[in-house]
Amino acid sequence: QKEVEQNSGPLSVPEGAIASLNCTYSDRVSQSFFWYRQYSGKSPELIMSIYSNGDKEDGRFTAQLNKASQYVSLLIRDSQPSDSATYLCAVNLLGGTSYGKLTFGQGTILTVHP
Amino acid sequence: EAGVTQFPSHSVIEKGQTVTLRCDPISGHDNLYWYRRVMGKEIKFLLHFVKESKQDESGMPNNRFLAERTGGTYSTLKVQPAELEDSGVYFCASSRLASQETQYFGPGTRLLVL
Repeated sequence: QKEVEQNSGPLSVPEGAIASLNCTYSDRVSQSFFWYRQYSGKSPELIMSIYSNGDKEDGRFTAQLNKASQYVSLLIRDSQPSDSATYLCAVNLLGGTSYGKLTFGQGTILTVHP
Repeated sequence: EAGVTQFPSHSVIEKGQTVTLRCDPISGHDNLYWYRRVMGKEIKFLLHFVKESKQDESGMPNNRFLAERTGGTYSTLKVQPAELEDSGVYFCASSRLASQETQYFGPGTRLLVL
């Protein structure tokens, strides 16, 4: 079993719709969760970070964390064609010598069509 | 503020040759990370520096890879001798702190070993 798994894509949504991206992780001690967006040939850039159970909203983006279910999701409201990219879920362990290490999922390709 | 920079952007070498990748983190960021994405796979952690010290090198594939961060500023990652399976995109990231801190990624070095 992979440590971080994302729903397989590609995901295609029409402009203005809600895009839902999901991620599960296997390590119960994971404490920090990140969503990165990566355009083709570019570096990953942070979209959202979340550390506590519940929802966290930032503009059109909402991250949801459920530690009991080991599940984190990203909702993108009013999707725009410029949101078309690969979305990467990343998990950070706390403790020991691995406290800085990010473990990534394989990424979900999102396409928003006009 | 300048972001994380990496050099070169692309490198094509033959099997058995040596390649050195360089990363300049954001000024003031003590934490520097190296990651690698092999085609078709997820981004994987290689190692983590805190200033000039190796905090975690659990992701280094083998002893053909040598990372240094003399003086706690820029870092180099040398592959010697390079093998075909070393091809991929090598990302560098930096953060001010480690836990619960955003890691800012560089544009990556695309390495192709022929």
